[in-house]
Amino acid sequence: GQSLEQPSEVTAVEGAIVQINCTYQTSGFYGLSWYQQHDGGAPTFLSYNALDGLEETGRFSSFLSRSDSYGYLLLQELQMKDSASYFCAVIDNYGQNFVFGPGTRLSVLP
Amino acid sequence: DAMVIQNPRYQVTQFGKPVTLSCSQTLNHNVMYWYQQKSSQAPKLLFHYYDKDFNNEADTPDNFQSRRPNTSFCFLDIRSPGLGDAAMYLCATSIRTSGGPLNNEQFFGPGTRLTVL
Repeated sequence: GQSLEQPSEVTAVEGAIVQINCTYQTSGFYGLSWYQQHDGGAPTFLSYNALDGLEETGRFSSFLSRSDSYGYLLLQELQMKDSASYFCAVIDNYGQNFVFGPGTRLSVLP
Repeated sequence: DAMVIQNPRYQVTQFGKPVTLSCSQTLNHNVMYWYQQKSSQAPKLLFHYYDKDFNNEADTPDNFQSRRPNTSFCFLDIRSPGLGDAAMYLCATSIRTSGGPLNNEQFFGPGTRLTVL
C-alpha cells in the first residue's frame, strides 16, 4: 500500500518563507500534487510535479525528487490568508490511484 | 461559471436510515470522485467513476454505494448510516485522457456535511 508523511503543524510569521515536506512510499509512482484547504472549505489544487525539480507558481513553489521519494511545497512572502491545511497527494499504481497525505496545518502569525 | 455543485450542503439523518448525497458538474469532466473527510483528517477516496466505469477503493465499506446516471450527475448512497459515518463528503471531478493516468488536478465541490443522530 501507499504511505505519505507530512509534518502535522507548522507555524510562521507574515512575510516569512515556509517549507512543508512530504515523503512517500508507493508503487508505480506517477506524480505528486499539492492542495490547500481552508477551514470549512474544499481542497483547491496548487501545483503538480511529475518530474524532478522545481515548479514555480507565483508565491508558491513545489519540488520533487523521485529518487528520494520526497517533495516539498515552498510558500514565500507568507500572508495571513495562507493559514490553512496543505495536503500532498500522490498518483500511483501507474496512474490508477490518487491518495492524499495526512496534511499539514499552517498557522501564519502577524 | 463552470463548477461542481453539491446538494444539500448539510444533511441530517437518523442511525440506519438510508441517505443520498448529490453532486453535479458543469465542467463536462469524465471522472467523478467521492471522498469522505473527517475532522482534522485528509480526504479519503471512497470510489470514482471514469465515464461509466466504477472504481471502488478496496477499503470502502459495502454500506457506501454510488450511481452515475450521466456525465453531469453522481450520487452517493449510504444504505445504513452509522455514527461513524458522520463526516464531510466531498465530490470532485477531473479529466482523464483515454489510456492516460488520473489527472493530478481535481476540482472539488463545497461538500455535504452529514450528521447522524
